Amino acid sequence: GQSLEQPSEVTAVEGAIVQINCTYQTSGFYGLSWYQQHDGGAPTFLSYNALDGLEETGRFSSFLSRSDSYGYLLLQELQMKDSASYFCAVRGGGATNKLIFGTGTLLAVQP
Amino acid sequence: DTAVSQTPKYLVTQMGNDKSIKCEQNLGHDTMYWYKQDSKKFLKIMFSYNNKELIINETVPNRFSPKSPDKAHLNLHINSLELGDSAVYFCASSPFRTSGRGLNTQYFGPGTRLTVL
Repeated sequence: GQSLEQPSEVTAVEGAIVQINCTYQTSGFYGLSWYQQHDGGAPTFLSYNALDGLEETGRFSSFLSRSDSYGYLLLQELQMKDSASYFCAVRGGGATNKLIFGTGTLLAVQP
Repeated sequence: DTAVSQTPKYLVTQMGNDKSIKCEQNLGHDTMYWYKQDSKKFLKIMFSYNNKELIINETVPNRFSPKSPDKAHLNLHINSLELGDSAVYFCASSPFRTSGRGLNTQYFGPGTRLTVL
């Protein structure tokens, strides 16, 4: 089976840096994605890693270590609007395009 | 210019009723999905269609029946609603990948909050 574990909640202050971890178990690996979901909103795509290393997109970066079945999302210069839930996700194997989502991490940014 | 739209946004109904949720995407994608997000925010795939063909059918009660009249539309019909069906239902779409690695960005609709009383 496939499962992804994340911390349930993280709290940080404006301007700080926060890291949200994700460990996964999959039968076959096709990349790790990150989605952001504001309260009452839809999940929106943030970042994707197919290979080991760091991918940077503005204030957000995502890291992957395939040997450790581990990735993280790094958010820098936190803003109040970053308060949201963050989900890691892996693709189902083969021709399946489904995403298997992690348990989600609720990030609360405080002033 | 909404990419993925769903109607209705809110649905409140009594146990035992039958209801439908509609989804449309104007992104030209081949694949559409239904996800269920429960009260603990756990997001789980239910169904997926590719060009009107059902390709993913997770372990979902057969009271749930998806229908895709064309590749831009995917509807979800739910019979005999139960209290446990209360959740937010998201429609999503993506390009279709037949095999191999690669990004599969999914675009989500705004969700339909279903409350069964």
